[in-house]
Amino acid sequence: SQQGEEDPQALSIQEGENATMNCSYKTSINNLQWYRQNSGRGLVHLILIRSNEREKHSGRLRVTLDTSKKSSSLLITASRAADTASYFCATSAVLYNFNKFYFGSGTKLNVKP
Amino acid sequence: AAGVIQSPRHLIKEKRETATLKCYPIPRHDTVYWYQQGPGQDPQFLISFYEKMQSDKGSIPDRFSAQQFSDYHSELNMSSLELGDSALYFCASSLRWGQGFSGNTIYFGEGSWLTVV
Repeated sequence: SQQGEEDPQALSIQEGENATMNCSYKTSINNLQWYRQNSGRGLVHLILIRSNEREKHSGRLRVTLDTSKKSSSLLITASRAADTASYFCATSAVLYNFNKFYFGSGTKLNVKP
Repeated sequence: AAGVIQSPRHLIKEKRETATLKCYPIPRHDTVYWYQQGPGQDPQFLISFYEKMQSDKGSIPDRFSAQQFSDYHSELNMSSLELGDSALYFCASSLRWGQGFSGNTIYFGEGSWLTVV
């Protein structure tokens, strides 16, 4: 990928379980964003965490950011079959006054009913 | 709320033909990004524009060109199409100066499916 790696590449869990996905990146960032993509569809923005934040919550989503390790994690609690999708992290950094925005390689989540 | 609009949603072209994809950003967004996503792959950044000027360039082939117009819509032109150009092409938009950079969310369109046969 152009920025970093996500792991695992694929995750299969039962409905009701928690799903944790990790993202690592290479350069300094301003913020990190998580997106969901259903097969063949567009990227849906889930949550944004700024570089000076360590943790953020949105509904069943919990995102952490460790800038010293250049990594982030996305936790989906009490997963549902409808959460089945690919999840991407994307980092935003400013270079020469312009916003550079790159994706990690994505985690394919399968939630079994 | 208005989202990023892309057209056409699906396009089938033959090898060596030319294709043009259009993107209409969210109103008042001044930055447009183009991404290419091959089957089973992550989105790859192609190019971005701010205020009608190219602001960043990624892995965009020389056969491709893009521009942003005065109404902020953008077009991606692809010539001499190859089978490997078959992909989902995303456009995204944002505000350059959203919350001092640290909070500018980027919103994506549904993508344009290009199939080269």
